[in-house]
Amino acid sequence: EDKVVQSPLSLVVHEGDTVTLNCSYEVTNFRSLLWYKQEKKAPTFLFMLTSSGIEKKSGRLSSILDKKELFSILNITATQTGDSAVYLCAVVRQGAQKLVFGQGTRLTINP
Amino acid sequence: ETGVTQTPRHLVMGMTNKKSLKCEQHLGHNAMYWYKQSAKKPLELMFVYSLEERVENNSVPSRFSPECPNSSHLFLHLHTLQPEDSALYLCASSQAPSGGAGTGELFFGEGSRLTVL
Repeated sequence: EDKVVQSPLSLVVHEGDTVTLNCSYEVTNFRSLLWYKQEKKAPTFLFMLTSSGIEKKSGRLSSILDKKELFSILNITATQTGDSAVYLCAVVRQGAQKLVFGQGTRLTINP
Repeated sequence: ETGVTQTPRHLVMGMTNKKSLKCEQHLGHNAMYWYKQSAKKPLELMFVYSLEERVENNSVPSRFSPECPNSSHLFLHLHTLQPEDSALYLCASSQAPSGGAGTGELFFGEGSRLTVL
């Protein structure tokens, strides 16, 4: 059975800090790993990673995948209160359409 | 605005009621999904429709009945629910290539918060 484990489950930091969120996975015939941000209701897409070692970057957010060790990290630098959200990691198999999600990491940025 | 609209946003129902959740996507996608999000649990996939055909049903109880009349609309019909079915129900869509394998990126609606009394 496919499995996605995120850590930590909850994280509280001060504005300006840098955070690293972790996602490890076990999946048969891995195709891609995705990161989503969920603030209130609808998760919004951040990154899709398919190749090891290639960093994806969007502003202060970046992510990288290690297909050998079966994990990904999401980095947020110079955090702002607007970064407070639940960050979801999900994996997709080859030939499948369903995403298998982790529990999410609840990130709180205090001013 | 994600291009995926869900109604109602909030629903309270008794265990003997029958109600429906509606989802509409304006993105031209050909695959639609229902996910359930309960407190402190991962998002759980319930159903997948690709090209209006159900391709996945994740052992969901029969008191949940999906309907996909066309590629833009998806319903979740609810009847004789249990209090443990209270959750946020999220609809999503994606563009699936004709081979059946999706692109991976889902676009989510805002969700319907369901409370079963």
